[in-house]
Amino acid sequence: QQKVQQSPESLSVPEGGMASLNCTSSDRNFQYFWWYRQHSGEGPKALMSIFSDGDKKEGRFTAHLNKASLHVSLHIRDSQPSDSALYFCASGTNAYKVIFGKGTHLHVLP
Amino acid sequence: EAAVTQSPRNKVTVTGGNVTLSCRQTNSHNYMYWYRQDTGHGLRLIHYSYGAGNLQIGDVPDGYKATRTTQEDFFLLLELASPSQTSLYFCASSDGGENTLYFGAGTRLSVL
Repeated sequence: QQKVQQSPESLSVPEGGMASLNCTSSDRNFQYFWWYRQHSGEGPKALMSIFSDGDKKEGRFTAHLNKASLHVSLHIRDSQPSDSALYFCASGTNAYKVIFGKGTHLHVLP
Repeated sequence: EAAVTQSPRNKVTVTGGNVTLSCRQTNSHNYMYWYRQDTGHGLRLIHYSYGAGNLQIGDVPDGYKATRTTQEDFFLLLELASPSQTSLYFCASSDGGENTLYFGAGTRLSVL
């Protein structure tokens, strides 16, 4: 079973709109979360980490973590065409094992 | 930004062949990782390492060996390559603090 599950698989939003991505871990050993973004032809790059309950905001990006349910979300406001990419949720253990989900394809339509 | 260099960028081999993928990081990071990326599967962890001489098993280790020779260098070995190992391989490193991973540009491997 996939230990890190992401939804939706694909998401289209208009330019300037809000994109919301979801991620859940099914293993309580995995309690640390990151969001990564991968543009076509490149390696993934970290967007932000979140380790504590609540919200974390970095510019247009806001992550929300609920540790009780092991659910994390990423919200992108004022989406831009350059935000079109594959977004990965990653979760890690105290022993530095880091597992990724299958990813969400985000398409921002001009 | 952390620098992680993978080589080769592209590799074609035949079934049963030997392949070595190389990764070097120049930021004194303790942790290094090998992932494979396949459509429909995302990024799957093959092996990772805490430091020179250390190796930890990931989630999809079958058919792969890895060796961390120095703090900078982490190698992935396919001793009897199979078509199922055709994939895009990424190496990553981290300092273990917040454990943000820094990825290389990837190696595309085709096993014919």
